[in-house]
Amino acid sequence: NAGVTQTPKFQVLKTGQSMTLQCAQDMNHNSMYWYRQDPGMGLRLIYYSASEGTTDKGEVPNGYNVSRLNKREFSLRLESAAPSQTSVYFCASSERGQGVYTFGSGTRLTVV
Amino acid sequence: AQSVTQLGSHVSVSEGALVLLRCNYSSSVPPYLFWYVQYPNQGLQLLLKYTTGATLVKGINGFEAEFKKSETSFHLTKPSAHMSDAAEYFCAVSRTNTGNQFYFGTGTSLTVIP
Repeated sequence: NAGVTQTPKFQVLKTGQSMTLQCAQDMNHNSMYWYRQDPGMGLRLIYYSASEGTTDKGEVPNGYNVSRLNKREFSLRLESAAPSQTSVYFCASSERGQGVYTFGSGTRLTVV
Repeated sequence: AQSVTQLGSHVSVSEGALVLLRCNYSSSVPPYLFWYVQYPNQGLQLLLKYTTGATLVKGINGFEAEFKKSETSFHLTKPSAHMSDAAEYFCAVSRTNTGNQFYFGTGTSLTVIP
């Protein structure tokens, strides 16, 4: 089925460890996004990529880096994980001009 | 600056009763407005959107929302709740249709009581 695929679905890290969250979409969308979801805070934008080759900071970029590898893939990297980064991470994509997002099913990350 | 306020983080309704989830926005320009639904352990799915034109917007699963500029509101309604409607609902606002400046509310968890 067409959509947004995120891996892994679950991950436990120790403080200071690094990891990369992967995201791929097969809808030929230009724009891709990384959000984190925390209880009572809704979704907050970490980084986005308006088109292949560009990335921009969102509302909460500190502690994260991203790579738009190609049009399909947009990865999120935590260089030195902290307990404050315990969250559910969602990748999304959209076609510019439509304002409609397609979300992945999320990655539940726990940092201990 | 834009923001979205969802009144009530938890709403409970009986099966068959009216569903009303409230959303107010603040925007200096006419906004684009969206409602998304999140079922347990899943990503968000678009329920409906308002961009231009008719202010009463119909979405999937019998939901609808009305854009009221004078009240800066975009409340979500459904005449008769089903058990399958139990989920988290997010209102979102964008100043443009590109989605790059998208702001989500904090969400409302809907419980449907049999």
